Amino acid sequence: EPEVTQTPSHQVTQMGQEVILRCVPISNHLYFYWYRQILGQKVEFLVSFYNNEISEKSEIFDDQFSVERPDGSNFTLKIRSTKLEDSAMYFCASRATRTDTQYFGPGTRLTVL
Amino acid sequence: SQQGEEDPQALSIQEGENATMNCSYKTSINNLQWYRQNSGRGLVHLILIRSNEREKHSGRLRVTLDTSKKSSSLLITASRAADTASYFCATGSGAGSYQLTFGKGTKLSVIP
Repeated sequence: EPEVTQTPSHQVTQMGQEVILRCVPISNHLYFYWYRQILGQKVEFLVSFYNNEISEKSEIFDDQFSVERPDGSNFTLKIRSTKLEDSAMYFCASRATRTDTQYFGPGTRLTVL
Repeated sequence: SQQGEEDPQALSIQEGENATMNCSYKTSINNLQWYRQNSGRGLVHLILIRSNEREKHSGRLRVTLDTSKKSSSLLITASRAADTASYFCATGSGAGSYQLTFGKGTKLSVIP
């Protein structure tokens, strides 16, 4: 069964460094999402992406964040200058056209030291 | 309470018993989805119920939706130790990207 994949599974970085989190959505899906979950808290929406542009973003998704679909398969989240409070599990999700179900990847645990 | 609040926060049952988790929300929705998360792992989609549906079944899962009360319940019948996980409801609303709004989750422990 097709699934969303994410790499790396765990990323440790120093505060102020840039990180890129990678996702490969399900191949025929056209809607892509990033969510994050700070330890012990709710899963929070960050951004949605369709037709090579951001369709919606939350207040969390400030200028430090960017997303890109650099080729036909990858979808990336970049954090330009990481802060301690960016430590969280980051989930990528994708959705097919004319369906509402979002399929999530296994997540990338980001630890900012 | 916020959109997508589950209760109880934690539930401990014996294997074979049924587990019921509830979710309440505040705004109008198009659909409500339930996800499972094993400790520190990804979110696994369980079931989606649309706003015009009242009940839906999938294997040992039964979901109900009451839009007049803005609430949903997830029933897991004949629970197994492997059902031990956190369960989240997520609401999708509005047009456009259908971003999901998650609750805090119910942590279910099934004791063998």
